[in-house]
Amino acid sequence: RKEVEQDPGPFNVPEGATVAFNCTYSNSASQSFFWYRQDCRKEPKLLMSVYSSGNEDGRFTAQLNRASQYISLLIRDSKLSDSATYLCVVNSGGSYIPTFGRGTSLIVHP
Amino acid sequence: DAGVTQSPTHLIKTRGQQVTLRCSPISGHKSVSWYQQVLGQGPQFIFQYYEKEERGRGNFPDRFSARQFPNYSSELNVNALLLGDSALYLCASSLEGVNEQFFGPGTRLTVL
Repeated sequence: RKEVEQDPGPFNVPEGATVAFNCTYSNSASQSFFWYRQDCRKEPKLLMSVYSSGNEDGRFTAQLNRASQYISLLIRDSKLSDSATYLCVVNSGGSYIPTFGRGTSLIVHP
Repeated sequence: DAGVTQSPTHLIKTRGQQVTLRCSPISGHKSVSWYQQVLGQGPQFIFQYYEKEERGRGNFPDRFSARQFPNYSSELNVNALLLGDSALYLCASSLEGVNEQFFGPGTRLTVL
């Protein structure tokens, strides 16, 4: 089993839709979690951190489920500009080796 | 404030050559990490440096080396280039450790 797994997609949704991605991790000692957004041929940009209590930023909500070892990203009211690849990152406790998932591709169409 | 900068933006080398990539972190950030990203995959961690000391090393061969300078800028060196080293090399800076990281635009390396 890979350390961090994401469904590569693509997720094809119409504008205004709600879409959710999951990211599973294998190391139960993982301590910090993030979502990044990457546009085609650009660098990843930090979207949000994922806290135990969850995190919401406008149309974006991130959740952590430690029991089932996954994090999620929910996007409400999708915009065309949300089209991108969404990468999850997991940092294991005591290690300085962050592990990225391969990313989930989102395509929002008119 | 300037973000993370990397140079060069593009590079073409042939097999067996050596390459040096450069990164300047955001002002005030003391940690720099290097990643390799091939098409269709997420970034793979290569190194992390903090206060000029190596704090983490990913699963890459010894042909890959790096260092961090007193001004917190960093270099990544790759010796004896292979075709499989062709990738986007990303540098990320953070205040400390592997918390929120901010990426530079990357260096696209092509090995022929």
